[in-house]
Amino acid sequence: DTGVSQDPRHKITKRGQNVTFRCDPISEHNRLYWYRQTLGQGPEFLTYFQNEAQLEKSRLLSDRFSAERPKGSFSTLEIQRTEQGDSAMYLCASSTAGGNEQFFGPGTRLTVL
Amino acid sequence: ELKVEQNPLFLSMQEGKNYTIYCNYSTTSDRLYWYRQDPGKSLESLFVLLSNGAVKQEGRLMASLDTKARLSTLHITAAVHDLSATYFCAVDRDGGSQGNLIFGKGTKLSVKP
Repeated sequence: DTGVSQDPRHKITKRGQNVTFRCDPISEHNRLYWYRQTLGQGPEFLTYFQNEAQLEKSRLLSDRFSAERPKGSFSTLEIQRTEQGDSAMYLCASSTAGGNEQFFGPGTRLTVL
Repeated sequence: ELKVEQNPLFLSMQEGKNYTIYCNYSTTSDRLYWYRQDPGKSLESLFVLLSNGAVKQEGRLMASLDTKARLSTLHITAAVHDLSATYFCAVDRDGGSQGNLIFGKGTKLSVKP
């Protein structure tokens, strides 16, 4: 296994468009996390799944954001009606159920024009 | 308010010198994580500190945790240029193992010859 993968790596979109990102975790990891990182800041937690269940969502996750993990494997993060303030690096991480160590993917850099 | 504060935020060092990065946090977490991030890249896990008094070393980096003081340190010994990166500490928001991490703002380390 080569680790957590994310697709696409870069996305440029116009304000008001919808975008969807995909994350494939390490295969034996049943926890999957989404974070957002803006320039000069640490990652901010958005949401996490244990298997297919979404167990927690941050207040940062507005109604325009939705995440799914339908079969408990890969996950998607969709942003509807993007705004310029959504421009950031979106990071995915995975861990085992104990949650001791999260392994991060390469991220998807979103630019909203 | 839950906080993770790193000090300093910027650090310029000469090769061969020693220095310590400090991480103070306000949650009741008994575990703490250190990550490294190179420019434009994702986060690489460095250390997972799971209990009070934990100390871990890898090469020129040594991390320790004092849960009573809610303080972790990352000590750099005889710095080399390859250590130039941004270092983040993170703790569990709820003090448990759910994996909802709060990150500090990061310490940007620059090691100069």
